[in-house]
Amino acid sequence: SQKIEQNSEALNIQEGKTATLTCNYTNYSPAYLQWYRQDPGRGPVFLLLIRENEKEKRKERLKVTFDTTLKQSLFHITASQPADSATYLCAQGSGTYKYIFGTGTRLKVLA
Amino acid sequence: DGGITQSPKYLFRKEGQNVTLSCEQNLNHDAMYWYRQDPGQGLRLIYYSQIVNDFQKGDIAEGYSVSREKKESFPLTVTSAQKNPTAFYLCASSMAGTDTQYFGPGTRLTVL
Repeated sequence: SQKIEQNSEALNIQEGKTATLTCNYTNYSPAYLQWYRQDPGRGPVFLLLIRENEKEKRKERLKVTFDTTLKQSLFHITASQPADSATYLCAQGSGTYKYIFGTGTRLKVLA
Repeated sequence: DGGITQSPKYLFRKEGQNVTLSCEQNLNHDAMYWYRQDPGQGLRLIYYSQIVNDFQKGDIAEGYSVSREKKESFPLTVTSAQKNPTAFYLCASSMAGTDTQYFGPGTRLTVL
């Protein structure tokens, strides 16, 4: 079955450094991958979508890459700030109107 | 303000009772979704609806029911048949032809 895997361990980094989160997918070649941010007790918020024919996508301090050979997407936050602390979810489309979400990686940016 | 609202934010229910979670959107989106989120697990799809008066089961529909009588509303009923209903429930919507989902703030259901 289709599966999305994210590192379940929390990632702690120092303010100002680049945070890199990983999303691996198996048993499927998704047409696109999405990244969402989720704060505790709140709903996810869409950040970026990258399609399989796009190598890289940027939005302000955020960058996403998509490597179909490695079956992996990397999510980068440059010049990280304590306000970036949250859980980041990766999701792939699974047919029309259906999505598969990873468990998320909790990021903590230390001041 | 445009967006998705869910109510209530916290809900407590006794075992054996049915309970209905509300989800309303004023984004004029065609598709709406219900997910369940448990600690250490990804979001799991319960039901989704592409248009009014039509909905499909997701991966974990057993013990749940929905209706879609209006475009802006997609209530979820958690029935007594749901074996482990305590969870965080998220409603989402999306525009037809797009892949971006907009989520509500969630309802945390606790069964006592």
